[in-house]
Amino acid sequence: GENVEQHPSTLSVQEGDSAVIKCTYSDSASNYFPWYKQELGKRPQLIIDIRSNVGEKKDQRIAVTLNKTAKHFSLHITETQPEDSAVYFCAARRTGYSSASKIIFGSGTRLSIRP
Amino acid sequence: NAGVTQTPKFQVLKTGQSMTLQCAQDMNHEYMSWYRQDPGMGLRLIHYSVGAGITDQGEVPNGYNVSRSTTEDFPLRLLSAAPSQTSVYFCASRQGAPDPQETQYFGPGTRLLVL
Repeated sequence: GENVEQHPSTLSVQEGDSAVIKCTYSDSASNYFPWYKQELGKRPQLIIDIRSNVGEKKDQRIAVTLNKTAKHFSLHITETQPEDSAVYFCAARRTGYSSASKIIFGSGTRLSIRP
Repeated sequence: NAGVTQTPKFQVLKTGQSMTLQCAQDMNHEYMSWYRQDPGMGLRLIHYSVGAGITDQGEVPNGYNVSRSTTEDFPLRLLSAAPSQTSVYFCASRQGAPDPQETQYFGPGTRLLVL
């Protein structure tokens, strides 16, 4: 089955600097890669996602890149702000109806923004 | 819409007791999942469903049962609670056929403590 590894487990950056979180996946049939943000005591929420037919996707200060050959994808946050402090999860899902609800998550990265 | 709801919010059980965690969604989503969240281990998939009457095992299914008799409800049953099942449990759903949407919506979570 799919296995998603995420690094680093904790990350501290100065406000205004960039943050990068990296994930690798094992199942070459995976074709959808979402990123979720979870603030303290709250539920995870989708912030950006990418499909395997796209190499990069950007939404304001957040971008995700995908290297399908190497089976890794990354989250980039630029001009970090205090409200970016949270736990971030990457995830992967393979194609196919039976797997449509089988989204496997990484172990999470706790991002702290230093003022 | 209430979105995805979970009850109870918090529960204390003794080892060996059984209970059912309730999950309901009012968005007519076909796909539903249960995750457990433990420190440093991210979100691990317990069971998932792609529609009423269809369920399958995720990464950590042992000790849990699910059923999906209606589109709206996806209860998670703990057969004989163990301290290792102390965790925060999240239910999630997303839209399926005929126009699947990728965004997965999470419930607020149930915090379970097994003594």
